Amino acid sequence: SQQGEEDPQALSIQEGENATMNCSYKTSINNLQWYRQNSGRGLVHLILIRSNEREKHSGRLRVTLDTSKKSSSLLITASRAADTASYFCATDDKTSYDKVIFGPGTSLSVIP
Amino acid sequence: DGGITQSPKYLFRKEGQNVTLSCEQNLNHDAMYWYRQDPGQGLRLIYYSQIVNDFQKGDIAEGYSVSREKKESFPLTVTSAQKNPTAFYLCASSIEWRQYFSEDSPLHFGNGTRLTVT
Repeated sequence: SQQGEEDPQALSIQEGENATMNCSYKTSINNLQWYRQNSGRGLVHLILIRSNEREKHSGRLRVTLDTSKKSSSLLITASRAADTASYFCATDDKTSYDKVIFGPGTSLSVIP
Repeated sequence: DGGITQSPKYLFRKEGQNVTLSCEQNLNHDAMYWYRQDPGQGLRLIYYSQIVNDFQKGDIAEGYSVSREKKESFPLTVTSAQKNPTAFYLCASSIEWRQYFSEDSPLHFGNGTRLTVT
């Protein structure tokens, strides 16, 4: 079955640096989403990129999608301590609309 | 403010007991979902409901049961048949079924219930 895989599993950076997280998936998709989860809380939707888009921006977030490589990246610019959280990519299976597939996530620590 | 409320935040049970996790939403969403999250893993779908009085098994439904008698409520029962019930459980909703990949209708999550069974 399709599975999103984030890379790296954990990332630690200094405040002000940029953070890049990657997501790979296995099957064709319609869209890809990124979610954020603070420790012990639910997930919050960050951004969605459609399969016919290559790049999308939202504030300090930049998402890219390469459907030929079946991969996406999430860039957080000028990171802040408040960005410390886990980040998950979520994909749908183009051949089956029955479920969303979440990757295991990247744990980001931003050190003040 | 609209949102999803899960209660309780922490739940402790003895092995062999059934336990019910509450999920209530006031977003007027048709679709609701239950996910299980284990350390280092992504979310896994337990059950979903497209509309009131309907629900379907997800990837890991064994040992769980749900009901959807009201649009705003989707309780999850963890039965004694669930082999490894200790986990973080997340409830989510979306405006419509299969519309969770719309920018206007992403998944909305509650803040979860951490269940510990000893």
